[in-house]
Amino acid sequence: AQTVTQSQPEMSVQEAETVTLSCTYDTSESDYYLFWYKQPPSRQMILVIRQEAYKQQNATENRFSVNFQKAAKSFSLKISDSQLGDAAMYFCAYRSPVSYGNKLVFGAGTILRVKS
Amino acid sequence: SQTIHQWPATLVQPVGSPLSLECTVEGTSNPNLYWYRQAAGRGLQLLFYSVGIGQISSEVPQNLSASRPQDRQFILSSKKLLLSDSGFYLCAWTQQLNSPLHFGNGTRLTVT
Repeated sequence: AQTVTQSQPEMSVQEAETVTLSCTYDTSESDYYLFWYKQPPSRQMILVIRQEAYKQQNATENRFSVNFQKAAKSFSLKISDSQLGDAAMYFCAYRSPVSYGNKLVFGAGTILRVKS
Repeated sequence: SQTIHQWPATLVQPVGSPLSLECTVEGTSNPNLYWYRQAAGRGLQLLFYSVGIGQISSEVPQNLSASRPQDRQFILSSKKLLLSDSGFYLCAWTQQLNSPLHFGNGTRLTVT
């Protein structure tokens, strides 16, 4: 079974600075989907960015970008120009293309604190 | 556009009482539906998922059950709640393999 590991329980960043959240996963598949979700204090789950494994180009959404290293099975999230509103728990997630039910496997999450 | 509704937002129930949490999706048909639980400050644990009416898959053995009586309705139930059932419950849906999960706003359940 696939597993997703987020090795940083907590991270801090100064406002306007850049921070990178780590995520690694374990799989024997060659094609799959990866996601980053943000959960602010409201606990609403918000999609931040997604990446399809067959695409070599790293996904980017405004200040959010990923560093997808397929061989290393690494999928880190970079947040540039951090803002107070970025403070949240961030979850990395994996989906197998052959998973019955299109299930997502989530990592344990990283709490991001933004200092003003 | 598609929307997902989950209720109630908060619930306080005594041990041994029944539970019913409801989730409905609008604007799509035959979605895959999911129930997740999140303990305080922790990750998401998949409890149940459904690929169609009456089709329920359970990920972990527990005190809870799920049902899908209609295409876009997903219900999480318990006959007798335990203290350990306390947590934050999230309903979610997706349509296609390359689509993300879309989550409801969640239900905070406290069992006293």
